Amino acid sequence: DAGVIQSPRHEVTEMGQEVTLRCKPISGHNSLFWYRQTMMRGLELLIYFNNNVPIDDSGMPEDRFSAKMPNASFSTLKIQPSEPRDSAVYFCASSPEVMNTEAFFGQGTRLTVV
Amino acid sequence: AQKITQTQPGMFVQEKEAVTLDCTYDTSDPSYGLFWYKQPSSGEMIFLIYQGSYDQQNATEGRYSLNFQKARKSANLVISASQLGDSAMYFCAMRDSGNTPLVFGKGTRLSVIA
Repeated sequence: DAGVIQSPRHEVTEMGQEVTLRCKPISGHNSLFWYRQTMMRGLELLIYFNNNVPIDDSGMPEDRFSAKMPNASFSTLKIQPSEPRDSAVYFCASSPEVMNTEAFFGQGTRLTVV
Repeated sequence: AQKITQTQPGMFVQEKEAVTLDCTYDTSDPSYGLFWYKQPSSGEMIFLIYQGSYDQQNATEGRYSLNFQKARKSANLVISASQLGDSAMYFCAMRDSGNTPLVFGKGTRLSVIA
């Protein structure tokens, strides 16, 4: 398996533009997580899905952020409109529904909003 | 609610020496898993080691071992025979069931000196 695949790896956009981050989890994993990493706040959970259903989105900063998982092999995180404070590394991770198994992370998307 | 505390923002260690990175946790769930990840400067999240709350023995993986003290709620990572390539950020994390997300500490930046 190729692991968790995120795209794009880097994104530079202007304030006010819409940004869409994409994630393909590992086949067979039924949990998917979106994290945001910044120097100030560390690794924050934004939202997670079990069996394609959003379970907890309390970490989503505000209404400008939305996430979907239309099927078991694809998820998106959208920011509309983007702001400079959204600049961060966004990680997608997936895991099977077993406690003693780690979450597998994608390479991350480095987002810069200018 | 789960909480992970890493009190060492940065650590230095001489090459070939051992180093301990501290992690304390808090949870009301009797069943949980503890994880350590490494994040080198390239940015990817690399899983290192896992310890289950019911495991009788401390986990080991090559040069990594986890000093698990359940009563003290600590899960310190020990790296033996440090190498220059061990220089990275190290994150402690936990989850209390298979389909819940990992909760991360703030991380410890380890620098290995030749």
